[in-house]
Amino acid sequence: GAGVSQTPSNKVTEKGKYVELRCDPISGHTALYWYRQSLGQGPEFLIYFQGTGAADDSGLPNDRFFAVRPEGSVSTLKIQRTERGDSAVYLCASSLRGPSGVNEQFFGPGTRLTVL
Amino acid sequence: GESVGLHLPTLSVQEGDNSIINCAYSNSASDYFIWYKQESGKGPQFIIDIRSNMDKRQGQRVTVLLNKTVKHLSLQIAATQPGDSAVYFCAETLFSGGYNKLIFGAGTRLAVHP
Repeated sequence: GAGVSQTPSNKVTEKGKYVELRCDPISGHTALYWYRQSLGQGPEFLIYFQGTGAADDSGLPNDRFFAVRPEGSVSTLKIQRTERGDSAVYLCASSLRGPSGVNEQFFGPGTRLTVL
Repeated sequence: GESVGLHLPTLSVQEGDNSIINCAYSNSASDYFIWYKQESGKGPQFIIDIRSNMDKRQGQRVTVLLNKTVKHLSLQIAATQPGDSAVYFCAETLFSGGYNKLIFGAGTRLAVHP
């Protein structure tokens, strides 16, 4: 596709349930980022993938959060035992990775997660 | 749906006026800064960037100013249009190695009135 896509666009779940959020990056982009955006705030970094490996997962809030990118393209963010405080918009971004400098991150529309 | 800018400070301007949106960044080691525009229900969209070896950069209708002494960024939008209505975020990062963890500021909602 032309841009980063995320599915579902909205997810409503109950406290304690397990959810998976999917990100399809721009074709050819090797770098993939997940961010979380709470209402009224800027996005917060969660995790960064270069290819298949999670190069930096320092932003994951706790061990209920996990992300994978098994083939170096699509990524899935997994949240176990969801809590009401997990409610937020989860954004995915992808970029090329050049030898140096900054590569523009292209963001998807996000998945709005609501935990009841 | 709920607006991403529901609890953010709001700048209200008249169509055709110039807008100035300010941002304080946190890390004195950051050397690359980006302004993003976010419309309701969408992800952030790149507007303009600036490296720390510059203090001003101009784009089409937009100018970014950087003051490293006080860790302050501003975004100036000339001849503001209704389509500029959105939430604006500054982000900081390090210009190195192709990997850029963005740290976003709190955001400002821009409301343009006809």
